[in-house]
Amino acid sequence: SQKIEQNSEALNIQEGKTATLTCNYTNYSPAYLQWYRQDPGRGPVFLLLIRENEKEKRKERLKVTFDTTLKQSLFHITASQPADSATYLCALRGGDTDKLIFGTGTRLQVFP
Amino acid sequence: DVKVTQSSRYLVKRTGEKVFLECVQDMDHENMFWYRQDPGLGLRLIYFSYDVKMKEKGDIPEGYSVSREKKERFSLILESASTNQTSMYLCALRDGYGYTFGSGTRLTVV
Repeated sequence: SQKIEQNSEALNIQEGKTATLTCNYTNYSPAYLQWYRQDPGRGPVFLLLIRENEKEKRKERLKVTFDTTLKQSLFHITASQPADSATYLCALRGGDTDKLIFGTGTRLQVFP
Repeated sequence: DVKVTQSSRYLVKRTGEKVFLECVQDMDHENMFWYRQDPGLGLRLIYFSYDVKMKEKGDIPEGYSVSREKKERFSLILESASTNQTSMYLCALRDGYGYTFGSGTRLTVV
């Protein structure tokens, strides 16, 4: 069955450093890979989407890479700030469906 | 930007009760979804709808049903609530390529 793995352990980094989160998947060939941010007690918020034929996508301090051979996406936050502290979710969607499958998320803590 | 509103932030219900969770959008999007989120399990899709009166089962539909009589409203129904349905319930819609979520309803079944 389809499986999405994100590091379940929290990632703690110092303010100003680059945070890198990993998303690995198996038994799936997604057409789209998405990243969401979720704060405690709130719904996820869409951040970025990358297509299967794209290697990299950027938005302000965010960068996403997508390697369909390795079945892996990396999510980078440069010049991280304490306000970036949240849980980040990876999600996949096939090209012929609207079903979005989520990983369990990685909690990021940025300390001053 | 589209807004997705879930009517209750917190609900406490008794075992065996019929429970209605409401979700309303303020635009005209066709695709709407219901997820539940549990620690260690992530978000799991319960049901989704492509249009009025159209619905499809997600990955964990057992014990749930849905209703979509109008395009803007998508309701999740727990026919007979059980304690294992205690969870955070999230409504979402597809807005272009990304999905917009409501704030969630934390349901406790006692």
